[in-house]
Amino acid sequence: DGGITQSPKYLFRKEGQNVTLSCEQNLNHDAMYWYRQDPGQGLRLIYYSQIVNDFQKGDIAEGYSVSREKKESFPLTVTSAQKNPTAFYLCASSTTGRQTQYFGPGTRLLVL
Amino acid sequence: GQQLNQSPQSMFIQEGEDVSMNCTSSSIFNTWLWYKQDPGEGPVLLIALYKAGELTSNGRLTAQFGITRKDSFLNISASIPSDVGIYFCAGLPGDKVIFGPGTSLSVIP
Repeated sequence: DGGITQSPKYLFRKEGQNVTLSCEQNLNHDAMYWYRQDPGQGLRLIYYSQIVNDFQKGDIAEGYSVSREKKESFPLTVTSAQKNPTAFYLCASSTTGRQTQYFGPGTRLLVL
Repeated sequence: GQQLNQSPQSMFIQEGEDVSMNCTSSSIFNTWLWYKQDPGEGPVLLIALYKAGELTSNGRLTAQFGITRKDSFLNISASIPSDVGIYFCAGLPGDKVIFGPGTSLSVIP
């Protein structure tokens, strides 16, 4: 089945540690996105990529980094510089034409 | 920056009732999207609207792209308990998607 997968479902991070969240899609979409969602809040854009080997900062990129070495994959690293990383992280993808985004199931990150 | 307003912020309804919610913007949008998010899950696309005045249905759900291109409406008929969740609208003024803050729907059996 075509879709977007995120792993792990839950992730625990110790203070000062970097962690990487995985996002894979087999929809043949060119564009991929990372959002952060806090309890009771909407979605805030962290980073997005319209094409392989290229990505742009979203509204809240500080403390995060991404790479886009393959069309199917767009991993997000939450660095130790992100002082409040506890949140629900959502990955999405879309074609570059219609921009209708499809979401993965999300990863919940908790800081120990 | 551009923002979307959704109303109501939350609603509690009796099972079987119809539901209406809307999304408004101060800017013109080219596309309107409606998503539903269950607790702990990613948003699922319900309906996509691409032309002003367009009316599209998906089962018990109906959404409309406002004529002014600054608003969109989502209606749910004969609500059932599994309709519970947060409904997000999203709009594309150009090539960047903007999400609304969501409407939380609770259905009382």
